[in-house]
Amino acid sequence: RKEVEQDPGPFNVPEGATVAFNCTYSNSASQSFFWYRQDCRKEPKLLMSVYSSGNEDGRFTAQLNRASQYISLLIRDSKLSDSATYLCVVNEDGGFKTIFGAGTRLFVKA
Amino acid sequence: EPEVTQTPSHQVTQMGQEVILRCVPISNHLYFYWYRQILGQKVEFLVSFYNNEISEKSEIFDDQFSVERPDGSNFTLKIRSTKLEDSAMYFCASSQPAASSYNEQFFGPGTRLTVL
Repeated sequence: RKEVEQDPGPFNVPEGATVAFNCTYSNSASQSFFWYRQDCRKEPKLLMSVYSSGNEDGRFTAQLNRASQYISLLIRDSKLSDSATYLCVVNEDGGFKTIFGAGTRLFVKA
Repeated sequence: EPEVTQTPSHQVTQMGQEVILRCVPISNHLYFYWYRQILGQKVEFLVSFYNNEISEKSEIFDDQFSVERPDGSNFTLKIRSTKLEDSAMYFCASSQPAASSYNEQFFGPGTRLTVL
């Protein structure tokens, strides 16, 4: 089983759509969780941390279910600029080891 | 806004040569990382570094790799004898974990290493 597994992509959605990404992780001792976005040939950029209580930042909502070892990201009212690869990221070992998922590619079309 | 910087942006080298990739982390950060991303593949953890020593390393980080913080600002990754399969984008990251243990890492723009 992969350490961090994400929905296979790509997702093709029209502007204004709501899109959800899912992620599962295998190590129940994982400590912290994040969503990053990566544009083509660029560095990963932190989108948001994922807290146990769930958290929202504008159009983005992240959820964590520790019992199911599942993380989600919801994007509402998609914009063209949301087109990117979304990376699910998990920290282990006190934060010193970071595992990336393979990413899910999102295309938002006019 | 403070950012992580990396030099060079692109390095071309011959197989068997040594390369040093350089990073300047965000100034008040204490935790440093190297990752690599082979074209079309996922980001892979190489090593984390704290308090002048390696905290954690992956199975990729074998004896041909080393890291160093030679002064108060630079963080380097050395590959002693490059192989064709070392061709990848190498990202440096730094963090200043919160008391809650959330460890938000900020990435540099990467160095693209091409081994011929």
